[in-house]
Amino acid sequence: EDQVTQSPEALRLQEGESSSLNCSYTVSGLRGLFWYRQDPGKGPEFLFTLYSAGEEKEKERLKATLTKKESFLHITAPKPEDSATYLCAVQGTGDGQNFVFGPGTRLSVLP
Amino acid sequence: EAGVVQSPRYKIIEKKQPVAFWCNPISGHNTLYWYRQNLGQGPELLIRYENEEAVDDSQLPKDRFSAERLKGVDSTLKIQPAELGDSAVYLCASSLRQGHHSPLHFGNGTRLTVT
Repeated sequence: EDQVTQSPEALRLQEGESSSLNCSYTVSGLRGLFWYRQDPGKGPEFLFTLYSAGEEKEKERLKATLTKKESFLHITAPKPEDSATYLCAVQGTGDGQNFVFGPGTRLSVLP
Repeated sequence: EAGVVQSPRYKIIEKKQPVAFWCNPISGHNTLYWYRQNLGQGPELLIRYENEEAVDDSQLPKDRFSAERLKGVDSTLKIQPAELGDSAVYLCASSLRQGHHSPLHFGNGTRLTVT
């Protein structure tokens, strides 16, 4: 059974204080690992897809990396508008190729 | 392009009452999903459609939940009768085709409160 865990559960940063969020996964063959951002009262918003170990993707202050067991979302010099819950999901090659989500990391960036 | 549209945004009902949620996916997206998200947790799959066919409903509590996707476009998720534990956000998502590295695109969900 595909599983995803995320840490920390919550993270509070000062504006400009860089940090990383972790997504650990077990999957029977990885088709893709996905990062989403979710604001309160909204649905998850797609950020990145990573397909293979060693791959990296960047978007503004965010950079996602992937190994065979985990993914990191690095946030460089965050701003208050980066405050949100960040969800990680994996799509495996088995189990109907369904997407399995982690519980998310709730990020707060203080001005 | 228009995103995934869901309605209503909020619904408050008493237990044992029926409730229905509606979803219109992104145009051209063949795969449609219904997820349930409890507070502080990630979304959990209820049912997945490929066009009008429900290809995975293994997590759908079939004694009280039902779904349909007539004509392979809009979809409706129904609960009858609702229980207190059904309080959650119900999210609809769509993608181009399952298994083709296509990410999910979500609507803003329906927040259901059962009293």
